[in-house]
Amino acid sequence: ETVMTQSPATLYVSPGERATLSCRASQSVSTNLAWYQQRPGQAPRLLIYGASTRATGIPARFSGSGSGTEFTLTISSLQSEDFAVYSCQQYNNWLYTFGQGTKLEIK
Amino acid sequence: QVQLQESGPGLVKPSETLSLTCTVSGDSISSYYWSWIRQPPGKGLEWVGYIYYSGITNYNPSLKSRVTISVDKSRNQFSLNLNSVTAADTAVYYCTRRSIADYWGQGILVTVSS
Repeated sequence: ETVMTQSPATLYVSPGERATLSCRASQSVSTNLAWYQQRPGQAPRLLIYGASTRATGIPARFSGSGSGTEFTLTISSLQSEDFAVYSCQQYNNWLYTFGQGTKLEIK
Repeated sequence: QVQLQESGPGLVKPSETLSLTCTVSGDSISSYYWSWIRQPPGKGLEWVGYIYYSGITNYNPSLKSRVTISVDKSRNQFSLNLNSVTAADTAVYYCTRRSIADYWGQGILVTVSS
């Protein structure tokens, strides 16, 4: 099983500032990595797949990078609606696995 | 617009079988893979398993002995059965499309309790 580890667990950032979230895989997943946003009481929403491709309708302020075992999600200028939990997920190897999530909170 | 909707009982007794159905609209079940993902209260996401319309399945090894996912092409639905449930199976269960989960149902909370 590929273990996905996200850091930090909680990130405090002010609106308008940049947020950088990290995800590490226990073995290489190539670029078969997705990012999701989950607001309280809602289902997750796909943001990024293929490590760096934005899903349909996702604003350009969201960007992803990385390959192999190290990945980053960057939100360039935080809006109020961006404060949520972000999870990474690998789909390179079955069992597909998620990180434990990073909670993005208002500073 | 692709939409997925979970349905089934919200309360299941310990040792019984959890049964959920996902109804897909706006897309044919005869394309892509279709999955179940669950999230225990306050915890992270866990992939339960997936099915292809042809019947090919893959299950989470930790659940493999208890889980069955099936598809009903005539109704454009797929289903989850999880038997011998315990309190550890209490979670919000989501149905999703594809390995990158580009569409999700709203989720259904299933509580295992007597």
